[in-house]
Amino acid sequence: ETGVTQSPTHLIKTRGQQVTLRCSSQSGHNTVSWYQQALGQGPQFIFQYYREEENGRGNFPPRFSGLQFPNYSSELNVNALELDDSALYLCASSLGPGLAVFGPGTRLTVT
Amino acid sequence: SQQGEEDPQALSIQEGENATMNCSYKTSINNLQWYRQNSGRGLVHLILIRSNEREKHSGRLRVTLDTSKKSSSLLITASRAADTASYFCATVDSYGQNFVFGPGTRLSVLP
Repeated sequence: ETGVTQSPTHLIKTRGQQVTLRCSSQSGHNTVSWYQQALGQGPQFIFQYYREEENGRGNFPPRFSGLQFPNYSSELNVNALELDDSALYLCASSLGPGLAVFGPGTRLTVT
Repeated sequence: SQQGEEDPQALSIQEGENATMNCSYKTSINNLQWYRQNSGRGLVHLILIRSNEREKHSGRLRVTLDTSKKSSSLLITASRAADTASYFCATVDSYGQNFVFGPGTRLSVLP
């Protein structure tokens, strides 16, 4: 049984660019959630996908979008990057409420 | 705004001492969980306590939950240098859709 994996581990982008982050959920998990964690803060919920449909969204603008694929893996896309988007992006997969497994995260730096 | 608030924000103790962290939250919950994070890496699940439980133990960890006061505490006994990390409480609301994290407690255990 593999855990949650994320790619890339880290990347650097320029303001205004677009970025795609990827997450492979744990085997058998059908729900994926994405979180943004700014330096020194707790993770903030971005959105959740359940069986390829968005199933809840936090207080993030529409330039944050996502996808979930039939194998339950997921992507987080961020358009028009801003400096404040620099953060650790965490993916979590789960089978039910409150039973999530977190990935190691992708560190995004926007310059 | 974040639901959970950890207290203290930072804690420094000597190896062998006990560390106590507190968490307060605002709304009704299904369960409360504690996570550890080392140096901006992924979150590691420590312990889950359900809303109908008052205390739970796991190894050197002891968690209490007081739903009347909307608060929880995490006690780490006989701390080790390897316990140095940030600790977060996370709540799952009655809808079970996502986690709401506090800002975390940064624990430093000095050898």
